[in-house]
Amino acid sequence: KAGVTQTPRYLIKTRGQQVTLSCSPISGHRSVSWYQQTPGQGLQFLFEYFSETQRNKGNFPGRFSGRQFSNSRSEMNVSTLELGDSALYLCASSLGAGGFDEQFFGPGTRLTVL
Amino acid sequence: DAKTTQPPSMDCAEGRAANLPCNHSTISGNEYVYWYRQIHSQGPQYIIHGLKNNETNEMASLIITEDRKSSTLILPHATLRDTAVYYCIVRVNTGTASKLTFGTGTRLQVTL
Repeated sequence: KAGVTQTPRYLIKTRGQQVTLSCSPISGHRSVSWYQQTPGQGLQFLFEYFSETQRNKGNFPGRFSGRQFSNSRSEMNVSTLELGDSALYLCASSLGAGGFDEQFFGPGTRLTVL
Repeated sequence: DAKTTQPPSMDCAEGRAANLPCNHSTISGNEYVYWYRQIHSQGPQYIIHGLKNNETNEMASLIITEDRKSSTLILPHATLRDTAVYYCIVRVNTGTASKLTFGTGTRLQVTL
C-alpha cells in the first residue's frame, strides 16, 4: 500500500504570493491533517479534514486554509505569504474513525519564502 | 491535552537499551500516552501508545508508572537508525483522532 504523498517536495516563493500544497492520503483513509514545522515553534497542528469537512482547527491566521476532495485528497493554501511562513508542511492521514487512530505522515513540503 | 516534559537530548551506544523518560504529571484519567519519532527530514512515525498498562510491540516497550505521572519508552537494542527526535504526547482517545500536540521532544543520538 502506498504511503502518504505530498507535492511538491520543495517550493520557493516570495512575500505576498500565495501557495497551494497537495496531499494524497493512504488509500481508504478519510482523515487528513496538516502540520507546520519550524525551528522556533516546532510541530504545530493546522487543521484536519474528514469527509470534505474541516473537523478541527489549530491556532493559525485565516491566511491558512484547506479543503478536501471527495477522493480524500487534500490541499492547503497560504495566501499573502510572509517570511515566517517558511517551514516544513506535513500532511498526515488516518482512517478517521475516532478513538485511537494511527496517523501516517508524509515526507512534507519544504516551503521557503524570500 | 496535558503538557509533557522530556530531556532535550540523550546518547545511547548501539546495541544497548535506550530509555527515554517523559513526565506528564497533569495527565487526566482519560488521556493516553503516545510516542512518535521523527528521523531527520522525514515525517513523524508512530511508535506505541498506552493508557495505564505497560505495552510492547515490535518497535519498543512503554512503561507507565502506577500514578501515570511519568512514562519511559524503551528501545531494547538501539541501532544507528534509531537516531531521531522522540516525542511523548498525551491526549484523549475521543472525538477527532488528529490534533497531536507535539512538544520539543528528546533528540536521541545512537553512537557506535
